[in-house]
Amino acid sequence: ETGVTQTPRHLVMGMTNKKSLKCEQHLGHNAMYWYKQSAKKPLELMFVYNFKEQTENNSVPSRFSPECPNSSHLFLHLHTLQPEDSALYLCASSQGEGFAYNEQFFGPGTRLTVL
Amino acid sequence: SQQGEEDPQALSIQEGENATMNCSYKTSINNLQWYRQNSGRGLVHLILIRSNEREKHSGRLRVTLDTSKKSSSLLITASRAADTASYFCATARTTGANSKLTFGKGITLSVRP
Repeated sequence: ETGVTQTPRHLVMGMTNKKSLKCEQHLGHNAMYWYKQSAKKPLELMFVYNFKEQTENNSVPSRFSPECPNSSHLFLHLHTLQPEDSALYLCASSQGEGFAYNEQFFGPGTRLTVL
Repeated sequence: SQQGEEDPQALSIQEGENATMNCSYKTSINNLQWYRQNSGRGLVHLILIRSNEREKHSGRLRVTLDTSKKSSSLLITASRAADTASYFCATARTTGANSKLTFGKGITLSVRP
């Protein structure tokens, strides 16, 4: 276990549904991330939060809405998704300023299927 | 453009053999990291090498970094079936006020018992 948990582990949803992914880190880190991993593509950084403040949004469509109520919890709210959004969604956390320099700890991911 | 590109894309070896994986990148970096991912799971950090370091060891892992060639290699010695996984290199760099960790597409390593 890496100290980062994600729920649910699997999610199947229709294009009109609204669902949320949850991530929790028990490591005392100050930075949290959402990544999207699709087959045969590099890991794509979606959002970055540092001390609860969003510091990066990599041109992610508005149908993905992140929320970070505190440094330990991160949510990804999903609505009106498309089939091409089906992927493994990974949450990660890291410690320290200049956060990209440090190792990241990943959760097990949520396998999302959009029908 | 993609920062880290691994080579080969897939590697199959016999248990006990050494596995060498390479990563090339295009711009200057602060550090380079290697991660492992078992099928359908999250990534696990293996090792971090800073831009002023040339070689680093951790157990059966040996990482080298050649900043003049913008390349790194990950060597796994005496491989085991449990080493079967995907391996990713990730480059950390600063662009203006932003810092970013960029992953490659990964190398699929199969270790045959």
